[in-house]
Amino acid sequence: GENVEQHPSTLSVQEGDSAVIKCTYSDSASNYFPWYKQELGKRPQLIIDIRSNVGEKKDQRIAVTLNKTAKHFSLHITETQPEDSAVYFCAASNSGNTPLVFGKGTRLSVIA
Amino acid sequence: SAVISQKPSRDICQRGTSLTIQCQVDSQVTMMFWYRQQPGQSLTLIATANQGSEATYESGFVIDKFPISRPNLTFSTLTVSNMSPEDSSIYLCSVGAGAYEQYFGPGTRLTVT
Repeated sequence: GENVEQHPSTLSVQEGDSAVIKCTYSDSASNYFPWYKQELGKRPQLIIDIRSNVGEKKDQRIAVTLNKTAKHFSLHITETQPEDSAVYFCAASNSGNTPLVFGKGTRLSVIA
Repeated sequence: SAVISQKPSRDICQRGTSLTIQCQVDSQVTMMFWYRQQPGQSLTLIATANQGSEATYESGFVIDKFPISRPNLTFSTLTVSNMSPEDSSIYLCSVGAGAYEQYFGPGTRLTVT
């Protein structure tokens, strides 16, 4: 089955700097890669996703890149703000509306 | 995205008892999923619940311990049976919305003493 590895497990950045979180997956059939942000005591929130037919997607300060050949995808947050502090999870699935396999999460701290 | 609610939001239970968690969605959805998030950990799929069929369980999770119902396209329940302290976790339902996206309910924080 699918296995998703996520690095780093913790990340501290200065406010205004960029943050990058990387994930690799094992199943070449996977074609959907969402990212979730989870604040303390709250549910995971879908913040951006990418499908296998594109290599990059942006939404304001957030971008995701996908390299299907290498089986890895990354989350990029620019101009980080204290409210970006949270745990971020990457995930993968191989078709629409099928279960997600999650990475172990990255705890991002943005220091003001 | 769909509006998803869960009941209860949290509970403290005695070992050996059972708790049923409800998940309600404001629109009809085909796929509903139940995940467990142990303290400080990632999300692990318990089972997939389709309306009109038996739930499909992941390795390590069994129906006797986590029975699931899916009586219609907007509702599902997960029961945690014969609880032990190791069952203390957040239990989350999620639904598929659109072609790929999945959204989570607010979760049920369970503490077993």
